[in-house]
Amino acid sequence: DAGVIQSPRHEVTEMGQEVTLRCKPISGHDYLFWYRQTMMRGLELLIYFNNNVPIDDSGMPEDRFSAKMPNASFSTLKIQPSEPRDSAVYFCASSFASKPNSPLHFGNGTRLTVT
Amino acid sequence: AQKITQTQPGMFVQEKEAVTLDCTYDTSDQSYGLFWYKQPSSGEMIFLIYQGSYDEQNATEGRYSLNFQKARKSANLVISASQLGDSAMYFCAMREGADGNQFYFGTGTSLTVIP
Repeated sequence: DAGVIQSPRHEVTEMGQEVTLRCKPISGHDYLFWYRQTMMRGLELLIYFNNNVPIDDSGMPEDRFSAKMPNASFSTLKIQPSEPRDSAVYFCASSFASKPNSPLHFGNGTRLTVT
Repeated sequence: AQKITQTQPGMFVQEKEAVTLDCTYDTSDQSYGLFWYKQPSSGEMIFLIYQGSYDEQNATEGRYSLNFQKARKSANLVISASQLGDSAMYFCAMREGADGNQFYFGTGTSLTVIP
């Protein structure tokens, strides 16, 4: 079984540029989460979807961040314009909604560096 | 109040010895799940073990076991016969909520296995 697939693995961009991170969840999972991890703040939930519908985006830092899930097998997280403080590792994770013992399965993450 | 508390920022263990990583949690739900993840230096988040709130027995997965003490709200991870490859960050997490859509992570414990 393929796990959660994220692309790109690494992204280096200049301040002000648009960045798009991509995620393919595990087939059949109906929850999809986007997290950001930094040394200072640890693992932060940005947004999560249930059956492709955004449920809670209260963790999205500001309007520069947006996320979409056009179908069950694809989600994007976009930052426009990017800033140096957005530098972090961004994880996508998926899970079954109906199984309380279902763990979050994480992708390998995208390491974003904004210069 | 913190939902998940990991009080040990860093731990050291001799190779082949056992080590316990502490985790306490806070919830008023009756149904919840507890998870442990390993994050090696390569960055991926690896699911290790799960314990359900109604499970009578402590969970075990190979060299990993979970010391679940419900009344004390603790879910400590025990790693037996430590190996050098066990050196990593370890995160305790809890899943709760009516829809099981709330995941909370601790700040992590950095484990170093000494040869």
